Amino acid sequence: GDSVTQMEGPVTLSEEAFLTINCTYTATGYPSLFWYVQYPGEGLQLLLKATKADDKGSNKGFEATYRKETTSFHLEKGSVQVSDSAVYFCALVRSNDYKLSFGAGTTVTVRA
Amino acid sequence: EAGVAQSPRYKIIEKRQSVAFWCNPISGHATLYWYQQILGQGPKLLIQFQNNGVVDDSQLPKDRFSAERLKGVDSTLKIQPAKLEDSAVYLCASSLDLNSGNTIYFGEGSWLTVV
Repeated sequence: GDSVTQMEGPVTLSEEAFLTINCTYTATGYPSLFWYVQYPGEGLQLLLKATKADDKGSNKGFEATYRKETTSFHLEKGSVQVSDSAVYFCALVRSNDYKLSFGAGTTVTVRA
Repeated sequence: EAGVAQSPRYKIIEKRQSVAFWCNPISGHATLYWYQQILGQGPKLLIQFQNNGVVDDSQLPKDRFSAERLKGVDSTLKIQPAKLEDSAVYLCASSLDLNSGNTIYFGEGSWLTVV
């Protein structure tokens, strides 16, 4: 079935380091792809999304490009801050039944 | 714009007891979801409603979990009787309609501990 696989954590970085979290998917049809973020003690928030191939989603300095040829949607940020410490979830919504499925999440800790 | 509201935020119950969670989606959102998030894992869909009809409840443990959305707005999720493995955060989410490009908005969750 359709699924999302993302890089296992935890990931620990220093401030201003470059962050990449890999995400690949398997799906029939043309899903929409999302990155959600969960800050400590808070609910899930949409970080960015892309609804078709080659679309680039961006928000708060984060970017991800929908790559159909590699079935990937890797999350990147050029210079992380302590406030970026959170759990990041890659997710897809199937185009046939609109079901939102999540990856397992990647915990990112940024040290000052 | 008000977000997805959930209550209670926290609940501790003993095993075999029952518990109910309430969700009020964003105004005008036709699609409502309940997810279960066990610590350290990604959220797992329990049930999906479109207005007051069930779209998908294939992963809902129907022997103990039930959910309803009678008037197509608010929803309740009930667990009876609870087991230790039901300890999790129960997330309610909503979106405007059934469209794969629509953003799905989440509430802050209801944290359940079964002891």
